[in-house]
Amino acid sequence: DTGVSQDPRHKITKRGQNVTFRCDPISEHNRLYWYRQTLGQGPEFLTYFQNEAQLEKSRLLSDRFSAERPKGSFSTLEIQRTEQGDSAMYLCASSQGTAHYNEQFFGPGTRLTVL
Amino acid sequence: GQNIDQPTEMTATEGAIVQINCTYQTSGFNGLFWYQQHAGEAPTFLSYNVLDGLEEKGRFSSFLSRSKGYSYLLLKELQMKDSASYLCAPWNQAGTALIFGKGTTLSVSS
Repeated sequence: DTGVSQDPRHKITKRGQNVTFRCDPISEHNRLYWYRQTLGQGPEFLTYFQNEAQLEKSRLLSDRFSAERPKGSFSTLEIQRTEQGDSAMYLCASSQGTAHYNEQFFGPGTRLTVL
Repeated sequence: GQNIDQPTEMTATEGAIVQINCTYQTSGFNGLFWYQQHAGEAPTFLSYNVLDGLEEKGRFSSFLSRSKGYSYLLLKELQMKDSASYLCAPWNQAGTALIFGKGTTLSVSS
């Protein structure tokens, strides 16, 4: 297994445009998380899936953000009408099982720059 | 709510020992992780504590005191490659998401 992968690695867009990111978790990991990280800060939780069900969304996730995990495998995060404040690194992580000690494996992230 | 506090920066020399402290305030407690993050890279797992006491893994150890809302990461025999950000992350009350601190940037010099 090659680990968690994310695509694209970098995205530059103009304000007002829509963007979509993809995350491929480690095979058979049933939990998938999206985080956002800005410079000098730790990752901030956005949303979490268990299999295909989106079980929790942060208040940070405005109506412009939507995430899906249609078949319980890969996930997409879409941002509509991007704003400059959306510029950040978007990290995906996955874990196996429901035990709290199961570590989350992070992908390399998608760096979004909104001009 | 949850509040995590770590020092922003620390410096140390090769071969030394450094302790990175983390205090947290959580409504419930389901365990705490430490992650390492090199600049421009993804966080990688270092340790997990759920019971009080010390967990040792090679050069890295992590300690937890639930009654004090306190954890620390101990790094021994520091190497230049240990220069990175160290993130303290307890679970949220529901146990569904990690709440990360801002991280401690450690600089190791020769």
